[in-house]
Amino acid sequence: EAGVAQSPRYKIIEKRQSVAFWCNPISGHATLYWYQQILGQGPKLLIQFQNNGVVDDSQLPKDRFSAERLKGVDSTLKIQPAKLEDSAVYLCASSPTSGRDHNEQFFGPGTRLTVL
Amino acid sequence: AQSVTQPDIHITVSEGASLELRCNYSYGATPYLFWYVQSPGQGLQLLLKYFSGDTLVQGIKGFEAEFKRSQSSFNLRKPSVHWSDAAEYFCAVARRGGKLIFGQGTELSVKP
Repeated sequence: EAGVAQSPRYKIIEKRQSVAFWCNPISGHATLYWYQQILGQGPKLLIQFQNNGVVDDSQLPKDRFSAERLKGVDSTLKIQPAKLEDSAVYLCASSPTSGRDHNEQFFGPGTRLTVL
Repeated sequence: AQSVTQPDIHITVSEGASLELRCNYSYGATPYLFWYVQSPGQGLQLLLKYFSGDTLVQGIKGFEAEFKRSQSSFNLRKPSVHWSDAAEYFCAVARRGGKLIFGQGTELSVKP
């Protein structure tokens, strides 16, 4: 079974530029999560999708961050414009909504963003 | 508010020694509890999880954890550490189908 795919793995941009990250969840997983992990901290949820609907985006800085999951499969997270404090690893995770693993989240390798 | 505390930022143990990583949580109901491991440059890998039932949970790579409701703790243990266990360990809590709330992590170093 293929895992959660993310691209790019690394990205370096200057502040005020825009950037986009892509995530393809495990096939059949209805729930998709984006987490932000700042160096030295645990990951924090940015947004949670159930199929193509948003379940929780309370911690998403909506003035600069946006995310979509148009067909209920893969997802894109965008930052525009980026700030220095956005330097972090962006992790995508997915989980099934039923079955033995329905409360387990499977994580991708992450995208490491550096904002200069 | 839900929260997770991992009191130890960094722990060093000798190879072959036993290990215990501490985790305390604050949650209004019976939580779902998880331990994840993260190697440098890698994503998070699930070591074990507790949803209900037996409070001693066995995981992968020889790890186990014990849920103690009275102490609001879910400590991770391993009887004999291997050099390959050096990594960052995260404890997390969640409600059913909800987001994970992570602790700040404990970095484990293993001395030869």
